[in-house]
Order: sequence, then structure tokens, then C-alpha cells
Amino acid sequence: DAKTTQPPSMDCAEGRAANLPCNHSTISGNEYVYWYRQIHSQGPQYIIHGLKNNETNEMASLIITEDRKSSTLILPHATLRDTAVYYCIVLTGTASKLTFGTGTRLQVTL
Amino acid sequence: ETGVTQTPRHLVMGMTNKKSLKCEQHLGHNAMYWYKQSAKKPLELMFVYNFKEQTENNSVPSRFSPECPNSSHLFLHLHTLQPEDSALYLCASSQDRGPLSNSPLHFGNGTRLTVT
Repeated sequence: DAKTTQPPSMDCAEGRAANLPCNHSTISGNEYVYWYRQIHSQGPQYIIHGLKNNETNEMASLIITEDRKSSTLILPHATLRDTAVYYCIVLTGTASKLTFGTGTRLQVTL
Repeated sequence: ETGVTQTPRHLVMGMTNKKSLKCEQHLGHNAMYWYKQSAKKPLELMFVYNFKEQTENNSVPSRFSPECPNSSHLFLHLHTLQPEDSALYLCASSQDRGPLSNSPLHFGNGTRLTVT
């Protein structure tokens, strides 16, 4: 599965949009981009995933570039409860192949 | 409420004890997983069960013994653990539809295990 690169940390003011980037330049055609987050003392939480098209759900939006070599997770109105480590993962096939890297630690501040 | 419930939330055990971790999922999924999360290390996949059958064992020491009596319940039996086994043990489930399935994992909040 393709390797991903994320910044180790980011800050965002409450109420503003948080844009979390992820590079996956070696992604192959059938690999999906997944985003999870882990809030302190909790298990990882699935946020969103996509293949080629941009995706949106009640939690976030996922923007995937046309060449699929990078993506951005957008939390449109960040709150203090969005403070967490965000993981970008690319994989194909069964979820059992899911492996987490070190992610981006997002700190939402007042 | 994540739909995946793990008990206990915290466990302290000695190296000669035997204990079990329990996981229950209320999502109707057919695949269940055990992950280990040690301090400052990425999540490590331990075991995978699909329709109650173990499909993956990621070179886990035999002192960890999984059990999956049905698609909704998963146990991790622990015996003669070492202090380095102290970690957060996470259970997850998914609706696995085959090798090309892209169903996401739903995690519980884990059991924080301390081995003394």
C-alpha cells in the first residue's frame, strides 16, 4: 500500500476551517484514501474515504487532486472537540490491511 | 457511543495472572480485529476474524490468545504477559465484503492494560 506524508502538527482557531494535507504520490489506481482521527484516550474514529471524486459527509469534506497524488481533509468549522491526531491512509482491499502512521496532531484553540 | 464496546476500560495485572479482554459490536458487521497501540508507536494489527474464522495472525506471541464465538463478540485471553505488553488494546469491526472491500473500520475505545 502507498506511503503517506502528513505534517506532524497544525493549529486552527475555533470556528475556522481546518485544512489537513496529505501527500500520497505513489498511490495506485485502485487505492482509496481514508481519513481517521484519534481523540485522546479514545479509539480511532473513521471520518471519510474516497477514490477519485471529492466526498462530503456530516463530519468533513475530502478533496483529492486530479492526479490523486495528494488530498486535503477539510473540517469546515473546527471546534475544540476536533482536537485530535488525524491519520491519512491509502489502501486497497480489505480493511485488515489498514496501517496507521504518525498522523497530524490538530490543536484547535479559542 | 461507537457501536463497538470494550470491557474493561482499564486493567492492571501481574505477570502470572490470566485475564480476558472483551469486545462486542452492535453494528451487524462480520469482521472483527484486535489492534495494539503502544506509547509513541503506530497501531499494530494483531488478529483478524471474518465470519468467526481467524484470517490473520500478525506474528503475535502465544501469550495472547483470541477467541471469536460469534460475529458480534471477540475476546483476547491474556496469560503470563510481560511489562512491555502494557498498551492500549483496541477492538474494531467492519463489514467485510471480500478482498476488494473498502468498508471502514469502527473502533472501540480500548482497554488500557498495565502489566506489573
